Amino acid sequence: DTEVTQTPKHLVMGMTNKKSLKCEQHMGHRAMYWYKQKAKKPPELMFVYSYEKLSINESVPSRFSPECPNSSLLNLHLHALQPEDSALYLCASSQQSGANYGYTFGSGTRLTVV
Amino acid sequence: GIQVEQSPPDLILQEGANSTLRCNFSDSVNNLQWFHQNPWGQLINLFYIPSGTKQNGRLSATTVATERYSLLYISSSQTTDSGVYFCAVKNSGGSNYKLTFGKGTLLTVNP
Repeated sequence: DTEVTQTPKHLVMGMTNKKSLKCEQHMGHRAMYWYKQKAKKPPELMFVYSYEKLSINESVPSRFSPECPNSSLLNLHLHALQPEDSALYLCASSQQSGANYGYTFGSGTRLTVV
Repeated sequence: GIQVEQSPPDLILQEGANSTLRCNFSDSVNNLQWFHQNPWGQLINLFYIPSGTKQNGRLSATTVATERYSLLYISSSQTTDSGVYFCAVKNSGGSNYKLTFGKGTLLTVNP
């Protein structure tokens, strides 16, 4: 299995809702990442998990809450989002978080906040 | 942080044409990847190429790390090659935990 699987593919949520994005990989990778991509822009890093521990938070607002329950699964819990949080959310993994490893990306969750 | 510049920003080709995409970076890198983002948003890894040359079918890539650039060659382009091509790098020093993306090249291949 050489894939990163993200669910759901599309999500529409209200500003008072609570929802979660899910990301799964079975490649034995020990680093997992959340990226946010606005339309016509490159992806921007949000969080880095290394060996199931949060190692990097790129000053992301607390309405985004990541969780790594095990080495194969990464969640992003969403609460009280704003319309400007509408974006494509991409999950990625790599063998480790060090420099010399290629990233594999999932197909993303397209989030719309209404 | 490291700067990544891609050129051209937009490229329109007729099917069958060849093209070269360029990625310049402002500092030494020990990780460089080329990705293709399809119209549905998926980022597909084309090459992991911090140095040297690689080929995969109609695509090939060359990175000259000492001169801080990488090139992606697409030969005999097909309509399915359309999409955005991103170069992404990790700095050898500094914030080397972070894969930094260029702004991408939007490629349109017309039949």
